[in-house]
Amino acid sequence: KAGVTQTPRYLIKTRGQQVTLSCSPISGHRSVSWYQQTPGQGLQFLFEYFSETQRNKGNFPGRFSGRQFSNSRSEMNVSTLELGDSALYLCASSSGAAGGAGANVLTFGAGSRLTVL
Amino acid sequence: DQQVKQNSPSLSVQEGRISILNCDYTNSMFDYFLWYKKYPAEGPTFLISISSIKDKNEDGRFTVFLNKSAKHLSLHIVPSQPGDSAVYFCAASGFQKLVFGTGTRLLVSP
Repeated sequence: KAGVTQTPRYLIKTRGQQVTLSCSPISGHRSVSWYQQTPGQGLQFLFEYFSETQRNKGNFPGRFSGRQFSNSRSEMNVSTLELGDSALYLCASSSGAAGGAGANVLTFGAGSRLTVL
Repeated sequence: DQQVKQNSPSLSVQEGRISILNCDYTNSMFDYFLWYKKYPAEGPTFLISISSIKDKNEDGRFTVFLNKSAKHLSLHIVPSQPGDSAVYFCAASGFQKLVFGTGTRLLVSP
């Protein structure tokens, strides 16, 4: 079956702009989580959506937001981009049946690499 | 506040030898631990996991050990192969979140 698909794979923005990233989970998976990967910081949890509801949220400013659609596809948005937002943004899906992303093995997409100039 | 730490950014071993990757955590409420492997230009892929009620889990060449009193887990790869060269992330599950470490880059040379 198809894996987790993230688009776009690469993008370049300038400070102050906003960006929207898209994630299509594995068919049948209802949970989508987003992570930010930067050198030296590992994978930082942004938020998790399950059945169109944000179920959990990490410690990121309000400029980072997301949503999930009825077909489980998810988008994340970053407004007023800063240089420090340059990172690889990873989306992961799981069945979510056990009550949270932490209880399930996550399947990751290849990521969207954002560069902010 | 880094709740999951991988203190070795990199590790180099020779093919056929054992690779040992270490991970420390601070929160005793974590109840499940996982290792992920990441190749360049790909997303992380699940490798092996262990429940907090166990102290060892084995899957082929990969074994994960958990020492709850020390809040420490390790991944052993025996024998190491060049294809194992990747970045390895440990992760701890709790509070409905999966908290990742910063990763260890493993290089296995022929």
